[in-house]
Amino acid sequence: LAKTTQPISMDSYEGQEVNITCSHNNIATNDYITWYQQFPSQGPRFIIQGYKTKVTNEVASLFIPADRKSSTLSLPRVSLSDTAVYYCLVERNTGFQKLVFGTGTRLLVSP
Amino acid sequence: EPEVTQTPSHQVTQMGQEVILRCVPISNHLYFYWYRQILGQKVEFLVSFYNNEISEKSEIFDDQFSVERPDGSNFTLKIRSTKLEDSAMYFCASSEVPRGTNTGELFFGEGSRLTVL
Repeated sequence: LAKTTQPISMDSYEGQEVNITCSHNNIATNDYITWYQQFPSQGPRFIIQGYKTKVTNEVASLFIPADRKSSTLSLPRVSLSDTAVYYCLVERNTGFQKLVFGTGTRLLVSP
Repeated sequence: EPEVTQTPSHQVTQMGQEVILRCVPISNHLYFYWYRQILGQKVEFLVSFYNNEISEKSEIFDDQFSVERPDGSNFTLKIRSTKLEDSAMYFCASSEVPRGTNTGELFFGEGSRLTVL
């Protein structure tokens, strides 16, 4: 599976838009990009998944350029409760695959 | 909203003791997983389980570990003889479809914190 690289940490303020970019240079044709969120002492929680272009749900947007070598998770108007670790993962669309978590991006939202 | 539930939330045990961590996956899910996270480290895959057998396991999941679905609702992780390095948060997860489809979500429980003294 493609290795992912994302910033170790980011800081933001309440009400701002936060964009977290992940690179996955060796992504394969069968791979999907998935983002999870994890609060301290809790299990990861699915945020969004996409294959190409743009995906939006009630929580976030995911932008994937045509070459798919990177992706950007966009969180609109963050609040203090968005302080968490955000993981970018690549999942293969064949068979029974495990999730491989990296170190993620620790987002700190301040007042 | 349906959720994966785990018990106990925290267990303290002595080195060498057996521990059983319990999970109730979401009721219509067929694929089950255990992950663990040592404090301050990555979430690591342990094992996946489908149709009453292990589908895949990591190098961490050695002979000291076993999984079972004893009664059609619970999914358990047993550590036969705990070591200090088994201290971690253990997360159970379930999914309705295999991970290799594009329908998204793996549902995680809140975790069971295991402390081995």
